[in-house]
Amino acid sequence: KAGVTQTPRYLIKTRGQQVTLSCSPISGHRSVSWYQQTPGQGLQFLFEYFSETQRNKGNFPGRFSGRQFSNSRSEMNVSTLELGDSALYLCASSPDSRGTVPEAFFGQGTRLTVV
Amino acid sequence: ILNVEQSPQSLHVQEGDSTNFTCSFPSSNFYALHWYRWETAKSPEALFVMTLNGDEKKKGRISATLNTKEGYSYLYIKGSQPEDSATYLCAINLNDYKLSFGAGTTVTVRA
Repeated sequence: KAGVTQTPRYLIKTRGQQVTLSCSPISGHRSVSWYQQTPGQGLQFLFEYFSETQRNKGNFPGRFSGRQFSNSRSEMNVSTLELGDSALYLCASSPDSRGTVPEAFFGQGTRLTVV
Repeated sequence: ILNVEQSPQSLHVQEGDSTNFTCSFPSSNFYALHWYRWETAKSPEALFVMTLNGDEKKKGRISATLNTKEGYSYLYIKGSQPEDSATYLCAINLNDYKLSFGAGTTVTVRA
């Protein structure tokens, strides 16, 4: 069974540009979450999607957005990039099994550098 | 936002020695605690999911305990090996799919 796949692995963008990151979850998983890790910080929750709907949202500005497609693949978009957006962005997928603890399976991440 | 704290931030262990470190979290509204191992250039790997007070889980030489009443969990590594070198992350969720992570404990095992 393939794991969570994130593309691209590395990305360099200029301030003011926008960027789109992609995440393909484990087959059968319908929940996809996004996290940001910056130097010295723990993983910060961005948002979570289930059945094409945003179900949870973290404390990030509106420049950060996402969406989920009918096949559960998800994209994350950051507009008007700032230097502080340089980070590792991790995607995690979870099976949505009622009554069980939601376990998250992570991809390897996309390393975004804003210059 | 949950305040999840891990200590120490980093530690060095001699090969063969045992070690342990802590994750602290607010005990109210607790649902589940997750431990992950994160090696450089790899994905965070799930080690344990724990929900009940007094839970103890074991995977090889690694084990974890959970105290939900006082809000802490310990992770133990017995007989550390170089391959145990990684950052160990603790995360809490509140009956939803949002994980609140601690900053991690980075373990370096010296041969």
